[in-house]
Amino acid sequence: QQQVKQSPQSLIVQKGGISIINCAYENTAFDYFPWYQQFPGKGPALLIAIRPDVSEKKEGRFTISFNKSAKQFSLHIMDSQPGDSATYFCAASKKGYSGAGSYQLTFGKGTKLSVIP
Amino acid sequence: GAGVSQSPSNKVTEKGKDVELRCDPISGHTALYWYRQSLGQGLEFLIYFQGNSAPDKSGLPSDRFSAERTGGSVSTLTIQRTQQEDSAVYLCASSQPGALRDTQYFGPGTRLTVL
Repeated sequence: QQQVKQSPQSLIVQKGGISIINCAYENTAFDYFPWYQQFPGKGPALLIAIRPDVSEKKEGRFTISFNKSAKQFSLHIMDSQPGDSATYFCAASKKGYSGAGSYQLTFGKGTKLSVIP
Repeated sequence: GAGVSQSPSNKVTEKGKDVELRCDPISGHTALYWYRQSLGQGLEFLIYFQGNSAPDKSGLPSDRFSAERTGGSVSTLTIQRTQQEDSAVYLCASSQPGALRDTQYFGPGTRLTVL
């Protein structure tokens, strides 16, 4: 059962354009939704995250839009740059585990973004 | 330390051999996670440590997989009798409970290839 579905698998955007990646989740217990950026040979790095009590969060050129009723969230990258070319993962986590605080992340399968000059 | 470190960066082994993968979390981080990244399955949770205890082992795929953490710091993931389907990148992440408790910082991973 894939709990977080991500699309598209790959995306090609012109420099200066807007990149949009979408995710949908099934488990209503999820309460934290981060996006990670991964470059080849590196581990994922947190880009931006949102909780379901807000519908949008913006940090620089990156914006998360969140629709709780539809159980969907998306990442928008404004003014996309060649340096943004990477694989992006959405993820979700829920409140820990018997109070022990496990915030294990459930990841989407990733979107490979290529920004062409 | 400056970040999460993992060793070795690459490991090639023969089917049936045991392997040990090491993770050094960020100093002071009490929570430590292991994930596996493979082409077909994406990133999957394996095990969670809080201090030296592992209250959540729900992601370990079989009893060939085990992990331990000592001194609330270094963790070792052991895979016994490796199989070709174990080939993947094994990622470690650490976090610190608090205001940013959900921020998991990932290491660069260990790429395991089982021949």
